[in-house]
Amino acid sequence: GESVGLHLPTLSVQEGDNSIINCAYSNSASDYFIWYKQESGKGPQFIIDIRSNMDKRQGQRVTVLLNKTVKHLSLQIAATQPGDSAVYFCAENRVSASKIIFGSGTRLSIRP
Amino acid sequence: GAVVSQHPSWVICKSGTSVKIECRSLDFQATTMFWYRQFPKQSLMLMATSNEGSKATYEQGVEKDKFLINHASLTLSTLTVTSAHPEDSSFYICSARVPGKNIQYFGAGTRLSVL
Repeated sequence: GESVGLHLPTLSVQEGDNSIINCAYSNSASDYFIWYKQESGKGPQFIIDIRSNMDKRQGQRVTVLLNKTVKHLSLQIAATQPGDSAVYFCAENRVSASKIIFGSGTRLSIRP
Repeated sequence: GAVVSQHPSWVICKSGTSVKIECRSLDFQATTMFWYRQFPKQSLMLMATSNEGSKATYEQGVEKDKFLINHASLTLSTLTVTSAHPEDSSFYICSARVPGKNIQYFGAGTRLSVL
């Protein structure tokens, strides 16, 4: 079936280091992908998205890479800070179906 | 500030009662809103798509008679959990899509606890 999933449920990173969060998807017809950050007790917060016809997109301290050959995308956070601690979800936006499907999430924790 | 407001943020109710959750788009008119449910340490699961002026579209496995959705205006969608039971305790999150764009803004969520 169709799914968007993550490789690792938890990730611990030293403060100041770069973080890489991975995500696999199975629906090759997806239009574009989105990364969300969710802090405890709050709703998801948009971080960055990437269209299926792109392979890289950069934002402020974040970069998303898309490898359509292996159906994999990643979120890279540069110089990780304590405020980056949260659960990160990749999500698939299927324009044809007009809905967002969320992956399972990765909890990012920062070591001082 | 928030562009999607969700109310209440937290509600406790007795088993068998009904609870209504509101989702409002503050800065734009949303013809389409979405309702998600999230259990602890799990991902968001789409429950239904709320369409202004028409019936909601429910995802497979979601009971439409238990989770009543009303989208009576372009800025308000409501989710009513009818005859709530402890297993309905969860974090309910709504989102609103900006018309003509692939952008959705999420509410802060409503934590429902059914005793």
